[in-house]
Amino acid sequence: EADIYQTPRYLVIGTGKKITLECSQTMGHDKMYWYQQDPGMELHLIHYSYGVNSTEKGDLSSESTVSRIRTEHFPLTLESARPSHTSQYLCASSDGNSEKLFFGSGTQLSVL
Amino acid sequence: AQSVAQPEDQVNVAEGNPLTVKCTYSVSGNPYLFWYVQYPNRGLQFLLKYITGDNLVKGSYGFEAEFNKSQTSFHLKKPSALVSDSALYFCAVSARYYGNNRLAFGKGNQVVVIP
Repeated sequence: EADIYQTPRYLVIGTGKKITLECSQTMGHDKMYWYQQDPGMELHLIHYSYGVNSTEKGDLSSESTVSRIRTEHFPLTLESARPSHTSQYLCASSDGNSEKLFFGSGTQLSVL
Repeated sequence: AQSVAQPEDQVNVAEGNPLTVKCTYSVSGNPYLFWYVQYPNRGLQFLLKYITGDNLVKGSYGFEAEFNKSQTSFHLKKPSALVSDSALYFCAVSARYYGNNRLAFGKGNQVVVIP
C-alpha cells in the first residue's frame, strides 16, 4: 500500500473560488507529480518536482500552480476555479531509482 | 512527443481464459514502458516495467508483458484471468533520457472478467 495521501477526495465548489488540493507522502521521495485525468481520456502530466524548491510545468498546460516547500508536501492551487477545471487530479511520487510511481487516490474536482 | 495508444475501451473475458490488453507506443529513442492498474476508488498501482534486457517481463499478480520493438507494442497478458482482475489498466511510456519523469499514459482499458 502506497503512503501517499490526497485530500479532499471529492470537492464541489462554485466558479471563482480559490482552492488548494493537498498531496503528502511519507516515503521520503524526492520526485512528485500532478496528473489530470478526464473520464475515458489519458492522464496528462501538469506539474512535477525534483525536490524542495523545484517545480516544473508538465506536458499539458494548466492554470494551476504548485509549490514544494517540504519534501513530503506538494499542494496544487487554483486561484480562481472555472467549470473547465472540472476533472480528476492525481498526485504521485517516486524515488527516482526504481522508475516506479506511487499514486494517491485522487481528488475529483467539480466546479459549478 | 511521446504517446500511447490503447485501442480498446473495454476488454471482456471469461474467468479462466487468457487476458490480453493491447498497447502501442510512440517515442523518440529507446522507451521505458510501464503498466499500471487502477481498482475502484484506489490510486494507480504499478504492475510491471520494461527498461532493457529480456523482452518478456513479469510483474505482479501473474501478469506479464512483451516488448516488441518492430511493432512498437507492449501488450499486457495473463494466462488465466480472475474475477478480481476486473479493473482499469493503463499503459505508459517515457523516453529513456526522461526516465520516469515524463510518463505519457494511455486512456486506459476497462477489463471485465466474467464469472
